[in-house]
Amino acid sequence: DVKVTQSSRYLVKRTGEKVFLECVQDMDHENMFWYRQDPGLGLRLIYFSYDVKMKEKGDIPEGYSVSREKKERFSLILESASTNQTSMYLCASSPDRGPYEQYFGPGTRLTVT
Amino acid sequence: AQTVTQSQPEMSVQEAETVTLSCTYDTSENNYYLFWYKQPPSRQMILVIRQEAYKQQNATENRFSVNFQKAAKSFSLKISDSQLGDTAMYFCAFMKHVLNSGGYQKVTFGTGTKLQVIP
Repeated sequence: DVKVTQSSRYLVKRTGEKVFLECVQDMDHENMFWYRQDPGLGLRLIYFSYDVKMKEKGDIPEGYSVSREKKERFSLILESASTNQTSMYLCASSPDRGPYEQYFGPGTRLTVT
Repeated sequence: AQTVTQSQPEMSVQEAETVTLSCTYDTSENNYYLFWYKQPPSRQMILVIRQEAYKQQNATENRFSVNFQKAAKSFSLKISDSQLGDTAMYFCAFMKHVLNSGGYQKVTFGTGTKLQVIP
C-alpha cells in the first residue's frame, strides 16, 4: 500500500514563527504536492514538485516555500506564520504515469495564534 | 484556467438509497481526466473513481458510478445502496492530459459536497 505520512496531525504556532511541515512518501513517486484545505474553498494547490530539487508554484504560493532534497520527502515552509495561514494542510504524491491518482497524507491542522 | 463547480455543499441520503452528487467543469481542453475523491471524517482522502475523457463508457467501481457528459461538461457521481461508511466529504477533480513523462500534473478540485448517510 502507498503510504504518505505527515510529521504532525495538529500544530499550534505563534504569529511570526517559522513553521516546517514535513511529508514523506514510500512509493518512489516522482510528483509531490502541498494543498491547503479550507471550508467552502476546497483544496487549493500551494506548490508542486515533479523531481528532486524541482518545484512549481501552485495557485496560492504567497507566504510559503518548499524544499525537496530527497525524492521521498517534500517540506512546506511558512517563513513567518500569520493567522490567515491557519488551515488544514494536505500533502499528496503521484506517479509520473497514468492513471495519475494522487495519494494523500492524513493532513496537518495548523493553528496560528 | 480550468474550474470545477460542485453546487451542492451538503446532501443527505437514507441508508440503502441512491444519491447523486453533481459536478460541472469548464475547460477548453479535449483530453483530460476526471476524478472523485472521498474524505471520511478525520481520515485520509482516497480516490473513489476516475474517468478518462476520451472514453465514452462511464466508469463504474462497485456501488459507485459516474454519468460523464462531455459536451455538457458534467461529471456526476452516483452512489447506490448507500452505506454509513459513505459518510464523507466528496471532491470532484479535473486534470488535463499529460503529454509526456514529467508533465505538469496540476489538478483542480471543486469545493466539495458533504454527504451524510442517515441510518
